[in-house]
Amino acid sequence: GQQLNQSPQSMFIQEGEDVSMNCTSSSIFNTWLWYKQEPGEGPVLLIALYKAGELTSNGRLTAQFGITRKDSFLNISASIPSDVGIYFCAGSKYMYSGGGADGLTFGKGTHLIIQP
Amino acid sequence: EPEVTQTPSHQVTQMGQEVILRCVPISNHLYFYWYRQILGQKVEFLVSFYNNEISEKSEIFDDQFSVERPDGSNFTLKIRSTKLEDSAMYFCASAASETGELFFGEGSRLTVL
Repeated sequence: GQQLNQSPQSMFIQEGEDVSMNCTSSSIFNTWLWYKQEPGEGPVLLIALYKAGELTSNGRLTAQFGITRKDSFLNISASIPSDVGIYFCAGSKYMYSGGGADGLTFGKGTHLIIQP
Repeated sequence: EPEVTQTPSHQVTQMGQEVILRCVPISNHLYFYWYRQILGQKVEFLVSFYNNEISEKSEIFDDQFSVERPDGSNFTLKIRSTKLEDSAMYFCASAASETGELFFGEGSRLTVL
């Protein structure tokens, strides 16, 4: 099946720092999504990307859909304590933010830890 | 705000026992999903369900698994004879349309001893 390689696996940063994480795939996805998961909860959608080269922002979050359709990055600027959590990239082979009948393929996640 | 709810939040069972995990999707949603997350690993697609039948299933979703929508509100995942490797967090998700955003529940943690 399709695999997403997400890095880094974890990040230890100081409050106020910028954060960058990325995902790569050996195969093409037509939709890239970024989710955040907090302890004891399910993943929550942060940003959805539908077009190669697309750069989308949501507050302090910025994500890009790579031109080759095989990669995406997520940046968080000026991190705050509530940014702590696990960030997952996910891909869909359709232009569907839910993945359609085939569902989504998830990366292994980036665990963001913010040190006081 | 409408949300997907799951019960139980945590279930401990003996190997070989049957388990039923329950989900109440968002009320006007038509597409339903189960995903699994083994501790420390990625979220994995199990099955999608629409119009009272399975749309797609992954290779993880073998004959030990089944899904059902027994009434207008519940969506269940049954594991017929649990194995140790079934221990995971199981997430239910629903979407209003095939193209729409997935909304995940809080998950049901299954521990098989």
